[in-house]
Amino acid sequence: DAKTTQPPSMDCAEGRAANLPCNHSTISGNEYVYWYRQIHSQGPQYIIHGLKNNETNEMASLIITEDRKSSTLILPHATLRDTAVYYCIVRVRSGTSYGKLTFGQGTILTVHP
Amino acid sequence: NAGVTQTPKFRILKIGQSMTLQCAQDMNHNYMYWYRQDPGMGLKLIYYSVGAGITDKGEVPNGYNVSRSTTEDFPLRLELAAPSQTSVYFCASRESGGMNTEAFFGQGTRLTVV
Repeated sequence: DAKTTQPPSMDCAEGRAANLPCNHSTISGNEYVYWYRQIHSQGPQYIIHGLKNNETNEMASLIITEDRKSSTLILPHATLRDTAVYYCIVRVRSGTSYGKLTFGQGTILTVHP
Repeated sequence: NAGVTQTPKFRILKIGQSMTLQCAQDMNHNYMYWYRQDPGMGLKLIYYSVGAGITDKGEVPNGYNVSRSTTEDFPLRLELAAPSQTSVYFCASRESGGMNTEAFFGQGTRLTVV
């Protein structure tokens, strides 16, 4: 699976948008971008994933650049409960990956009042 | 649905002792996984299973064993506990097939080996 690079930490004011970047310059055509988050040592929670089109769900939006070498997770109106470690994961599409996830160290997002 | 349930939540082991971390899911998922997370680090895959009777090693399998006799359960066995196995252990499951499925994680087992 392609390696990802994320900033170690970011801050955001409550109510503002949080934009979390991820670099995956070695991504290949059959790899998806996934985002998970982990709140205070709980089990990771799925947020969103995409291949090449921008995606949006009730939690967040995912913007993937046209060359697919980077992406941004957007939390449109961050709340204190969004304080967590956010993991950007690139996973191969092949069935032989069996859904295995390779976690980096992620970005610690701190939302301030 | 309870999702993915891990027991126990906390455990302290002495060096050389053995124990089994339990994981059960009620979503009829074929794929199940065991990860460990050391302080300040991301999760690392220990073992995974793609169905009952089928298991395979992940990135850090040494010192662990697994079995998968039913779809629901995926226990992780530590035979001779070592301080290096002090960690938080997470079990996860997901549907098989396709890319549009998410992994569901349990709440973790915090293990300390002294």
